[in-house]
Amino acid sequence: ETGVTQTPRHLVMGMTNKKSLKCEQHLGHNAMYWYKQSAKKPLELMFVYSLEERVENNSVPSRFSPECPNSSHLFLHLHTLQPEDSALYLCASSQEGGRAGEQFFGPGTRLTVL
Amino acid sequence: EDQVTQSPEALRLQEGESSSLNCSYTVSGLRGLFWYRQDPGKGPEFLFTLYSAGEEKEKERLKATLTKKESFLHITAPKPEDSATYLCAVQALSGGSNYKLTFGKGTLLTVNP
Repeated sequence: ETGVTQTPRHLVMGMTNKKSLKCEQHLGHNAMYWYKQSAKKPLELMFVYSLEERVENNSVPSRFSPECPNSSHLFLHLHTLQPEDSALYLCASSQEGGRAGEQFFGPGTRLTVL
Repeated sequence: EDQVTQSPEALRLQEGESSSLNCSYTVSGLRGLFWYRQDPGKGPEFLFTLYSAGEEKEKERLKATLTKKESFLHITAPKPEDSATYLCAVQALSGGSNYKLTFGKGTLLTVNP
């Protein structure tokens, strides 16, 4: 595997379900990100982890819970979601410091909440 | 608040017809401006970083330029495989975070053969 991988690629869940999204990066980066991409809206940064510590949390509802067990893996735990949470969820990774803007993205998980 | 506005929202070109995409930004001190390309069903792919007004970067048929208020992505003699959504993002100097990018909504480019 190379680059940034995400599983599953598609997920349909009910409002009462609990599910998790997984991201793995094979680039040796130290920072990892979760973004939400909705139609007609800009990419929205949700969370950032640097060296396994959360450094950004952009007013995301508590029904989204991130976890970063090591610098290569990132999870997004989902529970009691709303239909408006349906979107493409993208994971990204980058180097630290001055190269942090050069981010490498996975293919995303297309989430549908019924 | 940092803002990025991209225009046009969509652009249709004939193969070989050169054009430019615009990215206007408002930021409290620019750390960097980034261009990404996104193909349908895929995540964005990093293209360029620009740091200061007057800077230019080139890659194949693409050239990115930067002024104090906007950036242009010039596409010379485009091919159908250049069809994608092009995203612009800025990173601010102030506010403390090295990691936060503010993205525009993108320009959907279609190049017809």
